[in-house]
Amino acid sequence: SAVISQKPSRDICQRGTSLTIQCQVDSQVTMMFWYRQQPGQSLTLIATANQGSEATYESGFVIDKFPISRPNLTFSTLTVSNMSPEDSSIYLCSVERAGSQETQYFGPGTRLLVL
Amino acid sequence: QKEVEQDPGPLSVPEGAIVSLNCTYSNSAFQYFMWYRQYSRKGPELLMYTYSSGNKEDGRFTAQVDKSSKYISLFIRDSQPSDSATYLCAMSDSYGQNFVFGPGTRLSVLP
Repeated sequence: SAVISQKPSRDICQRGTSLTIQCQVDSQVTMMFWYRQQPGQSLTLIATANQGSEATYESGFVIDKFPISRPNLTFSTLTVSNMSPEDSSIYLCSVERAGSQETQYFGPGTRLLVL
Repeated sequence: QKEVEQDPGPLSVPEGAIVSLNCTYSNSAFQYFMWYRQYSRKGPELLMYTYSSGNKEDGRFTAQVDKSSKYISLFIRDSQPSDSATYLCAMSDSYGQNFVFGPGTRLSVLP
């Protein structure tokens, strides 16, 4: 399985600021995904990030609010912009399982609290 | 109707019990079925992965898929306190384009 790390593991931020979350994978992967998990709830896909192309956003998520970079096959960043308390959540990156695009491995998550 | 529903709700069982977790879904295009375990303050960990209908066993864990009923189950035998976690079912279609999670079931195994 892929080893996925995220930075920071947690942060407390002020309303109106932005936070960039990093996701690093120990092997080259085509597809990386960003999810949000609000307290006590399941995971919601924010966007899919392919290397060398624009990220594809799910309904309800926009690039201005959640810009994503994917500079190479092992790294991606998600920025949560102009934060409000409603953005308090766990943000997770994931990658496709090697040889199987039908399932995913997840990073440990970034726990964000916006005051 | 939600695309994936999961039951039971929060579950507490004594150590050694057999646990049954279930999901139902509405999209007949789903062919790949996963169970993830998520410990508190951790990311989801892939526990079981099955394709189409049938059973798959891995140690104390058994995953069952019944595509005709659009119903999947995870059984945990001889449950241990270390099994206490939230269990999420997930499923996707042939191309992984539609990857959907269930809402999760929080399991507590009491010593």
